[in-house]
Amino acid sequence: GENVEQHPSTLSVQEGDSAVIKCTYSDSASNYFPWYKQELGKRPQLIIDIRSNVGEKKDQRIAVTLNKTAKHFSLHITETQPEDSAVYFCAASRNTGGFKTIFGAGTRLFVKA
Amino acid sequence: NAGVTQTPKFQVLKTGQSMTLQCAQDMNHNSMYWYRQDPGMGLRLIYYSASEGTTDKGEVPNGYNVSRLNKREFSLRLESAAPSQTSVYFCASSALAGGDNEQFFGPGTRLTVL
Repeated sequence: GENVEQHPSTLSVQEGDSAVIKCTYSDSASNYFPWYKQELGKRPQLIIDIRSNVGEKKDQRIAVTLNKTAKHFSLHITETQPEDSAVYFCAASRNTGGFKTIFGAGTRLFVKA
Repeated sequence: NAGVTQTPKFQVLKTGQSMTLQCAQDMNHNSMYWYRQDPGMGLRLIYYSASEGTTDKGEVPNGYNVSRLNKREFSLRLESAAPSQTSVYFCASSALAGGDNEQFFGPGTRLTVL
């Protein structure tokens, strides 16, 4: 069946460095790609999303890129801060042929002060 | 606005017991979802309701039933709990009836089945 692979599972960076998390999806009908941040013991919250007709989107220190041909999308966080430490989930969604959202397994990001 | 609320926050069941997890949203959203979150496996969709009066199976529906009571409320029922259902359960809602818009999550219910 369809799946979303997310790498790495754990990422440790120094404060101020950049962090990159990559996801690959298999369902070619996916057209919406959100990224959620989940702090320890809290609920997931959307931080950025991208649609299939866009190649890149940026919001302050966060950016997402999408390569539809390769079925690959990535989250980039620049100038990382300790409060960026959390688990990040990517997801691939479609609305045609029935609703489906598949989440990646998550990346635990540690930002060391 | 409270957003998405869930009750209870924690629950311990014995194998074979039943229970219902409650979820409500006050954002006038059309779609609601139930996920389970297990370590190292991300979020997996159990059931969803695209709009009031409709429900559909997600990725892992076995052992669960749902009821979309009205536009605000979407409950998840475990008829005969099993240890494999030990997990954190999240309810979510979205404004539009489809997968291509932001989902707002509740605080979660941590369920342990002994």
